Amino acid sequence: GESVGLHLPTLSVQEGDNSIINCAYSNSASDYFIWYKQESGKGPQFIIDIRSNMDKRQGQRVTVLLNKTVKHLSLQIAATQPGDSAVYFCAENRRGISSGSARQLTFGSGTQLTVLP
Amino acid sequence: EAQVTQNPRYLITVTGKKLTVTCSQNMNHEYMSWYRQDPGLGLRQIYYSMNVEVTDKGDVPEGYKVSRKEKRNFPLILESPSPNQTSLYFCASSPLGQGPIEQFFGPGTRLTVL
Repeated sequence: GESVGLHLPTLSVQEGDNSIINCAYSNSASDYFIWYKQESGKGPQFIIDIRSNMDKRQGQRVTVLLNKTVKHLSLQIAATQPGDSAVYFCAENRRGISSGSARQLTFGSGTQLTVLP
Repeated sequence: EAQVTQNPRYLITVTGKKLTVTCSQNMNHEYMSWYRQDPGLGLRQIYYSMNVEVTDKGDVPEGYKVSRKEKRNFPLILESPSPNQTSLYFCASSPLGQGPIEQFFGPGTRLTVL
């Protein structure tokens, strides 16, 4: 069946180091993927997305890599800061049944990133 | 300020007592959606709406209803809540369109059904 999962439920990194959060997916029909950040007590916040026809996309301090061969997605955070501590979710967009505009996101279970001083 | 608001933020109720969680957005978005978040399961979509009077089931619609009478509002209705609906609920909205478009999430509603 379809699933979006994460390799590790928790990740601890030293402040200033780079973080890598991984995600596996199984639906090869997904047309794009999104990473969300959820801080304690708040709703998820969009970080970066990548279309299925891309391998890499960079944002401010973040890079998303997509490996369609092994159905793997990763989020790299450069120079991790205390404010990066949060739960990170990957999500895939299943193409809508009735319309290509439908947002039917399947979320992974999340990775808790803790930044150590 | 562009935002998605939910009310109430916290609710404790008893089994079978009908309740409504409101969701409102001020960004003129066509698309709105409800999710529930449970430990170890991530966010699962309950219902979504692509425009006024257009709603559709997500992955876990059982026990829930929605309505979209106005563009800005998308209430979630639990006609007869049960303890397995205890969860953290999020409303989200976005414009319509092809490709990745950011969904904006509300702050969440923590519901406990006793």
